Amino acid sequence: KAGVTQTPRYLIKTRGQQVTLSCSPISGHRSVSWYQQTPGQGLQFLFEYFSETQRNKGNFPGRFSGRQFSNSRSEMNVSTLELGDSALYLCASSSLSGADNEQFFGPGTRLTVL
Amino acid sequence: DQQVKQNSPSLSVQEGRISILNCDYTNSMFDYFLWYKKYPAEGPTFLISISSIKDKNEDGRFTVFLNKSAKHLSLHIVPSQPGDSAVYFCAASATGTASKLTFGTGTRLQVTL
Repeated sequence: KAGVTQTPRYLIKTRGQQVTLSCSPISGHRSVSWYQQTPGQGLQFLFEYFSETQRNKGNFPGRFSGRQFSNSRSEMNVSTLELGDSALYLCASSSLSGADNEQFFGPGTRLTVL
Repeated sequence: DQQVKQNSPSLSVQEGRISILNCDYTNSMFDYFLWYKKYPAEGPTFLISISSIKDKNEDGRFTVFLNKSAKHLSLHIVPSQPGDSAVYFCAASATGTASKLTFGTGTRLQVTL
């Protein structure tokens, strides 16, 4: 079974630009969550999508948004980029079946904002 | 407000010995706990989990212990192997927000020969 894939793996943008990151979950997984990892704040939850609906949201500004498509693929968008948005963005998928709440992570997209 | 804490940023253990990684949490609503291993430039890899209805879960060399009264969990790796060298994160979630994981800051484990 293929794992979670994220594209692109690396991205360089400048302040004020916007960026869109893509995530394809494990086949059959309907829940996709996004996390931001920075050296200072660690791994922080951004939001979760399930059946094309945002179901949970972390404490990030409205510049961070996402969506999920009918095939469970998800995109994350960050508008008006700031230097502090430089981070590793991780996507995770889960089947959320029964007691198994394990999330499986992709390799991440390394975003650098100059 | 750090709801999940890993107070040891690093740990060094000899190959073949036991590695014990600790994690504390403050939120009483957390009822599911997970451990992940992370190598540089890769996403976290799921290791083992435990529900709050249990106090121990074992999977091969990995055992997780949960002490709900102390709000403490630990991951035991026996025997430790050089390939176990990585950063280990504990994470927690609450019923109804299972996909919203709150992570600790990680412990870097170095297994030496």
